[in-house]
Amino acid sequence: AQSVTQLGSHVSVSEGALVLLRCNYSSSVPPYLFWYVQYPNQGLQLLLKYTSAATLVKGINGFEAEFKKSETSFHLTKPSAHMSDAAEYFCAVSENQAGTALIFGKGTTLSVSS
Amino acid sequence: GAVVSQHPSWVICKSGTSVKIECRSLDFQATTMFWYRQFPKQSLMLMATSNEGSKATYEQGVEKDKFLINHASLTLSTLTVTSAHPEDSSFYICSAGLAGGQDTQYFGPGTRLTVL
Repeated sequence: AQSVTQLGSHVSVSEGALVLLRCNYSSSVPPYLFWYVQYPNQGLQLLLKYTSAATLVKGINGFEAEFKKSETSFHLTKPSAHMSDAAEYFCAVSENQAGTALIFGKGTTLSVSS
Repeated sequence: GAVVSQHPSWVICKSGTSVKIECRSLDFQATTMFWYRQFPKQSLMLMATSNEGSKATYEQGVEKDKFLINHASLTLSTLTVTSAHPEDSSFYICSAGLAGGQDTQYFGPGTRLTVL
């Protein structure tokens, strides 16, 4: 069975500060990992995904995530937060790289203050 | 990029009535669509996998007779919440992908259902 744990339901940073959103996974098969962002009243948008090609994955809007098998982690980072980054972020795991039938974490709300 | 729409975006209904939610892939054909449910401040939970022309596959704990799914064409899947009750109030989100599901999934904007 697969599962995802997101540590911290709410993260607050100042504009320009480092963003770090934590995600740990559990999987009995090689996992495919995803980060999605959800803006208020909108659907989910794919930020990036890990499909075993490279452990450091770069996504849209300056975000990146590093797959660490030894730590079973896939933390999301951004060097400098922008006000527009305020949203809900979900980490998810799937058995295939298409991301079908995703198992989601509970989400982390990112707040950015000026 | 691929666009998925949902209709309605928001619906309020009385307890005991049925509500139909549509999920459309606007610029691509989707042989497989997925339906998720999201309660406030919680994560998305997969409800069922919808396959065009065949019966949907439901996740454990999801009542197939209550949540009727029809995937009649390659661009449309519908979720009908039958005899809705207040506990069915939630955010329902669909996703669809290209190439029979073997590609990145694109999510619809969601439908907020409130049952009075």
